[in-house]
Amino acid sequence: GIQVEQSPPDLILQEGANSTLRCNFSDSVNNLQWFHQNPWGQLINLFYIPSGTKQNGRLSATTVATERYSLLYISSSQTTDSGVYFCAVVPTLIKAAGNKLTFGGGTRVLVKP
Amino acid sequence: NAGVMQNPRHLVRRRGQEARLRCSPVKGHSHVYWYRQLPEEGLKFMVYLQKENIIDESGMPKERFSAEFPKEGPSILRIQQVVRGDSAAYFCASSLPNTDTQYFGPGTRLTVL
Repeated sequence: GIQVEQSPPDLILQEGANSTLRCNFSDSVNNLQWFHQNPWGQLINLFYIPSGTKQNGRLSATTVATERYSLLYISSSQTTDSGVYFCAVVPTLIKAAGNKLTFGGGTRVLVKP
Repeated sequence: NAGVMQNPRHLVRRRGQEARLRCSPVKGHSHVYWYRQLPEEGLKFMVYLQKENIIDESGMPKERFSAEFPKEGPSILRIQQVVRGDSAAYFCASSLPNTDTQYFGPGTRLTVL
């Protein structure tokens, strides 16, 4: 099956810093979503971004489908950005069978005040 | 505009008991997915259902686990004769037909004593 790798696995930031999280995937995809799992365990949709660039406040994401990677940018980080960020994909080849997401291992982010 | 609802949020069972997890999708969503997150790991797909149909159960353990999504009422994930290894967070997601974005519920955290 498709492999989804996220880097770095852990990230410690000082409040106000910027950072970039990366998601590499081994096959072509037609669904890619970024999620934030907060310290209470809730999973929050950030972006649906199978290709292109999107921005939402201090967060933005870019997916280069032809090169099989996606980037999540966090600017001016705040302590509330702490948690685990997951990238999840649906490979193009299995699209007909439904939209089951394959998740990466996540990047654990800690923003210090 | 209620999102995906799951209950209970926390469930404690002793080994050998049954666990029933409920998921009410976003109003109007007819596609439901269940994922499992073991401690310190990413989410893994379990099963994909549409109303009254199991579309893909390739991620479900072969024994003790079952899922349904009846015409009326919530989707149910049922685990019979729970074991300690079943302790995990179980997330439900829903989507509209022919759309890719999945919206996740808050999860049910199952602890098996």
